[in-house]
Amino acid sequence: DIVMTQSPDSLAVSLGERVTINCKSSQSVLYGSNNRNHLTWYQQKPGQPPKMLIYWASTRESGVPDRFSGSGSGTDFTLTISSLQAEDVAVYYCQQYSTSPYTFGQGSKLEIK
Amino acid sequence: VHLVESGGGLVQPGGSLRLSCAASGFTFSDYWIHWVRQAPGKGLVWVSHITNNGDITSYADSVKGRFTISRDNTRNTLYLQMNSLKDEDTAVYYCVRGAGGLDKWGQGTLVTVSS
Repeated sequence: DIVMTQSPDSLAVSLGERVTINCKSSQSVLYGSNNRNHLTWYQQKPGQPPKMLIYWASTRESGVPDRFSGSGSGTDFTLTISSLQAEDVAVYYCQQYSTSPYTFGQGSKLEIK
Repeated sequence: VHLVESGGGLVQPGGSLRLSCAASGFTFSDYWIHWVRQAPGKGLVWVSHITNNGDITSYADSVKGRFTISRDNTRNTLYLQMNSLKDEDTAVYYCVRGAGGLDKWGQGTLVTVSS
């Protein structure tokens, strides 16, 4: 199974500052049939189901603010929030969608400093 | 797009439960569908998936042999038959559409396994 490891587990950042969350997979999530990295980022706010933010490592889902961006390839990926807003307080998860079982990272809890 | 789970509840260890997920607002038979669970206060755990026509399924090791995923494309409904339930199966179970990633999530149904 592919193991997904996020860092940090939690972080506190000031409003307006840049946020970076990392995700590392134990093997490549590059999907051969379409040559895309099948790495997805989700945001989960308290009491709500998760919401997909980024798929194929860097493609923003429709309606997601452009302050959210994803990057990386192979085994190392990053979610960046360019300027933290109060509504971005949440837990963020990465997931590999390349090979079953489609494993998640453990989550990174983002708070306001 | 709507995904509405039902069938959760309290069940004793060793018992069974069948979850359902009613889909609407999209062509159900075009999409893979997944179950993802989340124990109270814990992270997301992928459980199972089924391809659009139901010919391929897969499971997390923790539920393999105990859970069975199925779908009825004529009724736009997904199922999860859960047998031999354990305390550690206690979680909110989400029905999720697969497209690129897991793009649309239901609100979830709570399964509590306890004596």
